Amino acid sequence: GAGVSQSPSNKVTEKGKDVELRCDPISGHTALYWYRQRLGQGLEFLIYFQGNSAPDKSGLPSDRFSAERTGESVSTLTIQRTQQEDSAVYLCASSPRARGSTDTQYFGPGTRLTVL
Amino acid sequence: AQSVAQPEDQVNVAEGNPLTVKCTYSVSGNPYLFWYVQYPNRGLQFLLKYITGDNLVKGSYGFEAEFNKSQTSFHLKKPSALVSDSALYFCAVSRDSGYSTLTFGKGTMLLVSP
Repeated sequence: GAGVSQSPSNKVTEKGKDVELRCDPISGHTALYWYRQRLGQGLEFLIYFQGNSAPDKSGLPSDRFSAERTGESVSTLTIQRTQQEDSAVYLCASSPRARGSTDTQYFGPGTRLTVL
Repeated sequence: AQSVAQPEDQVNVAEGNPLTVKCTYSVSGNPYLFWYVQYPNRGLQFLLKYITGDNLVKGSYGFEAEFNKSQTSFHLKKPSALVSDSALYFCAVSRDSGYSTLTFGKGTMLLVSP
């Protein structure tokens, strides 16, 4: 079946502009995660959605970052007034249910964001 | 707090030789441990996980990992490396109770030479 998809695959923007990144999880997966991967570093957790529960936003680095999810489907990560330090690969993952449980997270290919 | 250490930024091995990619962890309670692989310009792919039971876990593409509770380690191994195994490998940990983050290590680049 189809995996996690993300769009765009690459995004180049100017400092100060807003960007929206999209994630389509695997159908039926109730949990959705966003991570940031800076060059040469591991994955940094950003935000987690689980069903209709309030999202866990504890990983968002600043109030310029926000995310939404429509039911148990598409999610968008929005970065307002982008800064050069926002340049990274943004990865989305989904899993059948609860975070931190035995469930495996399945990752999309990522969106490479470059802020000039 | 939980953490993962991958002490080697890069591991070099010749094709056909055994490989080991090291991972140690710190977590309160019992750990859940994962290995993921990332090929260039691709997302992370799940390799294997340890939840409970046998300390030796077998996963995709001939990889296996050994859970060692006393050494808090979960090293990734393969008996005979392939050039196509060259990629970035991430170890991750969460804990078995309550609400827990999946924490990733910084990754280890594996380079397999022909």
